[in-house]
Amino acid sequence: DVKVTQSSRYLVKRTGEKVFLECVQDMDHENMFWYRQDPGLGLRLIYFSYDVKMKEKGDIPEGYSVSREKKERFSLILESASTNQTSMYLCASSARGARSSPLHFGNGTRLTVT
Amino acid sequence: GDSVTQMEGPVTLSEEAFLTINCTYTATGYPSLFWYVQYPGEGLQLLLKATKADDKGSNKGFEATYRKETTSFHLEKGSVQVSDSAVYFCALSGGRTGTASKLTFGTGTRLQVTL
Repeated sequence: DVKVTQSSRYLVKRTGEKVFLECVQDMDHENMFWYRQDPGLGLRLIYFSYDVKMKEKGDIPEGYSVSREKKERFSLILESASTNQTSMYLCASSARGARSSPLHFGNGTRLTVT
Repeated sequence: GDSVTQMEGPVTLSEEAFLTINCTYTATGYPSLFWYVQYPGEGLQLLLKATKADDKGSNKGFEATYRKETTSFHLEKGSVQVSDSAVYFCALSGGRTGTASKLTFGTGTRLQVTL
């Protein structure tokens, strides 16, 4: 089974801090994604990556950046955390190829910014 | 752009009741359609998928049929169990060339099944 592991289940950070959310997958997937999940809004795509050192903006990239130095690892960075970034963050991966390739998700990181 | 609309919850049903969760979509091209389920405290996991018109996806007693004429992909189950209590997300992928594998999600529908 594909395993997508997010380094923290819960995080509490202060406004203005730099925050790193880490994600690792073990199935040699080319594609990796960061979503945030908010009540009533569903999942919204922040950034994604199709290959090492490659990144593309999703629907809501403002206030975030990403890093993909190795194929298995995709990091989400909040340069200066703000309270409106309090959310559940979900990492996912998928194999390159057809539109029908499913996403495999981690269990999420619940971030609270105070 | 692509979008997915699903019925708002929560949906509360008694065990063994029939379930329908409505999902409609807007997309250009020929998207693939998915239902994901999120159990409490977990990430999303794929429940079923359909890749072309008239395909039926099925898994664990759940079914959904890709209806291009009505742009719908409604989720159904004939007899729900307490263990089906979760949040269900409808999603589509890559209606247009070059957007393969990037999913657009609906807002989710919470299902609660009681004894």
